[in-house]
Amino acid sequence: GESVGLHLPTLSVQEGDNSIINCAYSNSASDYFIWYKQESGKGPQFIIDIRSNMDKRQGQRVTVLLNKTVKHLSLQIAATQPGDSAVYFCAEYTGGFKTIFGAGTRLFVKA
Amino acid sequence: KAGVTQTPRYLIKTRGQQVTLSCSPISGHRSVSWYQQTPGQGLQFLFEYFSETQRNKGNFPGRFSGRQFSNSRSEMNVSTLELGDSALYLCASGSGSGYEQYFGPGTRLTVT
Repeated sequence: GESVGLHLPTLSVQEGDNSIINCAYSNSASDYFIWYKQESGKGPQFIIDIRSNMDKRQGQRVTVLLNKTVKHLSLQIAATQPGDSAVYFCAEYTGGFKTIFGAGTRLFVKA
Repeated sequence: KAGVTQTPRYLIKTRGQQVTLSCSPISGHRSVSWYQQTPGQGLQFLFEYFSETQRNKGNFPGRFSGRQFSNSRSEMNVSTLELGDSALYLCASGSGSGYEQYFGPGTRLTVT
């Protein structure tokens, strides 16, 4: 069935270090892959997306890498800050106005 | 511009009861999607509405239903509540042309 999964449920990093959050997906037909950040008590917030015909996309302090050969997606956060502590979800969109979310990775940033 | 609002924010119901949750999208948005979030299953897609029409739905029993009004506001209803329906219910709105969506803070439903 449809699934977007994550390799690690929790990730702990030192403030100032780079963070890498990984995600595996199963649907080769996905058009877009999206990363969301969810802070406690809030709904998910869009971080960055990447189209299926791209390998890399950069935003402000974040980079998403897409490896279609192994169906793997990653989110890199540079110079991680305490405000980056949250749960991060990868998601995929295959059209049909339906987004499939992964299980989520909780990022802890140690001061 | 005001964000997505959901009411109520918290709700406690008893098994067997029914519940209605409300979502007001961002002004101008015509698409509203609903998700159920639980620790065990994560974020699961319930359904999506655009201009009062359901365009897609997830794999949930018929006890879960929704509707959208002409002003784009949406409601979802869960009948015959079960303990397993305890979850955070999230609503997201968008233009309806793709995957871009903005989430509300959610309604925390507890079924006892």
